[in-house]
Amino acid sequence: DGGITQSPKYLFRKEGQNVTLSCEQNLNHDAMYWYRQDPGQGLRLIYYSQIVNDFQKGDIAEGYSVSREKKESFPLTVTSAQKNPTAFYLCASTRGSGAFNSPLHFGNGTRLTVT
Amino acid sequence: AQSVTQLGSHVSVSEGALVLLRCNYSSSVPPYLFWYVQYPNQGLQLLLKYTSAATLVKGINGFEAEFKKSETSFHLTKPSAHMSDAAEYFCAVSLSGAGSYQLTFGKGTKLSVIP
Repeated sequence: DGGITQSPKYLFRKEGQNVTLSCEQNLNHDAMYWYRQDPGQGLRLIYYSQIVNDFQKGDIAEGYSVSREKKESFPLTVTSAQKNPTAFYLCASTRGSGAFNSPLHFGNGTRLTVT
Repeated sequence: AQSVTQLGSHVSVSEGALVLLRCNYSSSVPPYLFWYVQYPNQGLQLLLKYTSAATLVKGINGFEAEFKKSETSFHLTKPSAHMSDAAEYFCAVSLSGAGSYQLTFGKGTKLSVIP
């Protein structure tokens, strides 16, 4: 079955360390997205990529970085510059880029805890 | 610009009772509207979406939503709640013709179903 795989499911890091979250999709989708979810805050867009080797900042990109070297993969690095990194991170993808015709498909998330 | 407000961060209903989750939107042009559901520790899944074709939209799992332009609302309903409906529900809005990266999510409403 096609889908989005996020790993690991839970991640623990010490403050000051960079950490990379994996997102792989086998849906042959062109566009991929990273969202951050905090309790009572909804979803906020961190970065998105509509094509390989290109990506754009979302609403809360500070302290994060991404790469898109392959269509299937869109890893997110949470750097030490991110002031409050503890959160639930969701990766998503869409076949095209239009909101109506291309609903978001989500992975099951990575819960990051930084102490 | 667009925004969405979900009234009630937590709603409790008895099993078999009507489910009503409220969503109001703000948009300068005709919007696209979506409801997503999130089960614990999982990603989001599309329940239904609104186009201009019909004001009453039917989705999966017996849910439906009615677009009311005069009230700028898109409330989600289900006639009879099941235990399996316990989850968090997100309303989202984008402008017609917008990209998926321009989707704005509400803060979510957590639905509890009491046996």
